[in-house]
This record gives sequence, structure tokens and C-alpha cells, in this order.
Amino acid sequence: KAGVTQTPRYLIKTRGQQVTLSCSPISGHRSVSWYQQTPGQGLQFLFEYFSETQRNKGNFPGRFSGRQFSNSRSEMNVSTLELGDSALYLCASSLVGQPSGNTIYFGEGSWLTVV
Amino acid sequence: KQEVTQIPAALSVPEGENLVLNCSFTDSAIYNLQWFRQDPGKGLTSLLLIQSSQREQTSGRLNASLDKSSGRSTLYIAASQPGDSATYLCAVGGDSWGKLQFGAGTQVVVTP
Repeated sequence: KAGVTQTPRYLIKTRGQQVTLSCSPISGHRSVSWYQQTPGQGLQFLFEYFSETQRNKGNFPGRFSGRQFSNSRSEMNVSTLELGDSALYLCASSLVGQPSGNTIYFGEGSWLTVV
Repeated sequence: KQEVTQIPAALSVPEGENLVLNCSFTDSAIYNLQWFRQDPGKGLTSLLLIQSSQREQTSGRLNASLDKSSGRSTLYIAASQPGDSATYLCAVGGDSWGKLQFGAGTQVVVTP
């Protein structure tokens, strides 16, 4: 079956712009979570959606937002980009979300560079 | 607040040696612990998931143990191969939906 698909894979943005990243989960998976990965901070949890509802949010400023559609696809948006937002953004899906016993599957990520 | 630590940060072994990767966590009230592999520039691949009620899980050459009381997990990879070269991360699932708390990872290089 198809894995988790993230688009775009690479993008370069200018400070102050906004960006939207997309994630298509594995078919049948209702939970989508997002993580930011940087060399300095490692993997940090952004938010999790289940059946179009945000169930949890990490410790990020309000510039970071997301949503989930009825087909479970998810988008995250970062407004007013800062240099420190440069990172690999990873999306993950699972049947009902963590911390269940379901395996979690990660996409290959979207590399965002802010200049 | 849960803290997850992985030591060492990097490890290099010759092919055929067994690998031992360590993960420690500060809060023993966990639901599960998972081990992932990440290749350079790629996403994460789930290797093993241990529920809090379990002591270990095995898959092929991989074996992971969990000791909740001491806040430790160990991933063993038997007879390492160059293809095992990657960064290995452990992550703890607590009572917070969707959130996994990750360690910083151990970068492994297996030399032929």
C-alpha cells in the first residue's frame, strides 16, 4: 500500500512569508501528527489531528497551525516565517493515533529553508 | 516533564559485531516505547514497539527490552551489517494523544 506522502519535498522561503505543507496519510489511517526536526532541538511534536479534530498541540507559537480534511489529508501552515523555522517537517499517520499499539508511519518530510 | 536520553550520540563498529543502543527516560508512567531508524535526509521507519506491560520485543536480528522501573530500554542488533548504518531513535508515548517524546538519537556506522 502507498505510504505517507508529503509535498513539497523541498522549498525555500523568505523571512516573513508563509508556507503550507501537505500530508496524505496511509489509506484508512485517521490520525495524522506533525513533527519538526532540527539539528539543535531534534524531533519536536507540533500537533496531532484525528477525524478532523486537533487533539493535541505542542509548545510552538501560534504562527504554526494545521488542519485535517474529511479524507484525513492534513496541512500545516507557518505564517511570518523566521530563520529558525528552517527544518525538516515530518508527518506521520497511524490508525487511531499514539500511544496506541498501532504502528506509526512517517513520510519522508518536507525540507524548509528560510532565507 | 518527560526527558529521553540516548547515549552514545555516535557509534562505529566493524561488520559482524553486535550493536547495543541505550535509551533512558525520566518518567516511568509511559504507555509504550518505540525504536525508529532514520536514514540521512529521510523519514523515520518504525522498528519495534514495546507496550508498557511488555519486557521485550523481537524482530529478526533486532531485540528491544524495556525496564520501566529503571527508565531504560536497550536495542540490540545482532551481527551488524553495513546496511544497518543509520541514526536510531527511541521515542516514548505517554498519556498525551499523538505525542511521542524522542531522544536525540544514536548515529551508527558499521564498517565493512
